[in-house]
Amino acid sequence: GAVVSQHPSWVICKSGTSVKIECRSLDFQATTMFWYRQFPKQSLMLMATSNEGSKATYEQGVEKDKFLINHASLTLSTLTVTSAHPEDSSFYICSASDMDSYKGYTFGSGTRLTVV
Amino acid sequence: AQSVTQPDIHITVSEGASLELRCNYSYGATPYLFWYVQSPGQGLQLLLKYFSGDTLVQGIKGFEAEFKRSQSSFNLRKPSVHWSDAAEYFCAVGAASNTGKLIFGQGTTLQVKP
Repeated sequence: GAVVSQHPSWVICKSGTSVKIECRSLDFQATTMFWYRQFPKQSLMLMATSNEGSKATYEQGVEKDKFLINHASLTLSTLTVTSAHPEDSSFYICSASDMDSYKGYTFGSGTRLTVV
Repeated sequence: AQSVTQPDIHITVSEGASLELRCNYSYGATPYLFWYVQSPGQGLQLLLKYFSGDTLVQGIKGFEAEFKRSQSSFNLRKPSVHWSDAAEYFCAVGAASNTGKLIFGQGTTLQVKP
């Protein structure tokens, strides 16, 4: 149980375009999901907390207009990187908490974004 | 300030040898503690977690960790390392709430020599 699916696993896009990444909790409902960014050989940096039915809470220094988060249902959160630039290239990972039994935070498999 | 420190950036051990990865935390409230493992290009897999109770926690793949409140530590151990254990290991601390965010350590890269 407590499976989180993230899609796509990798994506290449041109500068100036937008990319959407999906994060789904497959076998549990997640009121709260989290989006992280990871640079090569570095730790995970929390970007934002995604709350079902309300606006996301962004960490300091994260541009909310560039990284749009939508949490329309209890099983789906999306991260859209708008007007992507090469410096947005990174590994993005989502996680969700199983509220019913609090099994801890389950992570998706990550999305490798490359902007060319 | 809340923080997690993994003092060892890189560790190399021989296959079959024992392993200990260190983790120290600074947290104002009662922490929830986690160890995750990440293979290259992959997401994070939970090895084990500590919420309360027995301070020695057993996890998957033969890993265990011991919570020592007096030392603010949550070190990860394995008695005999396998080549497949080579990966990046992250210690994390979270609030005693299922909607709290996690704070991660810098990670420790484990290399296993044949």
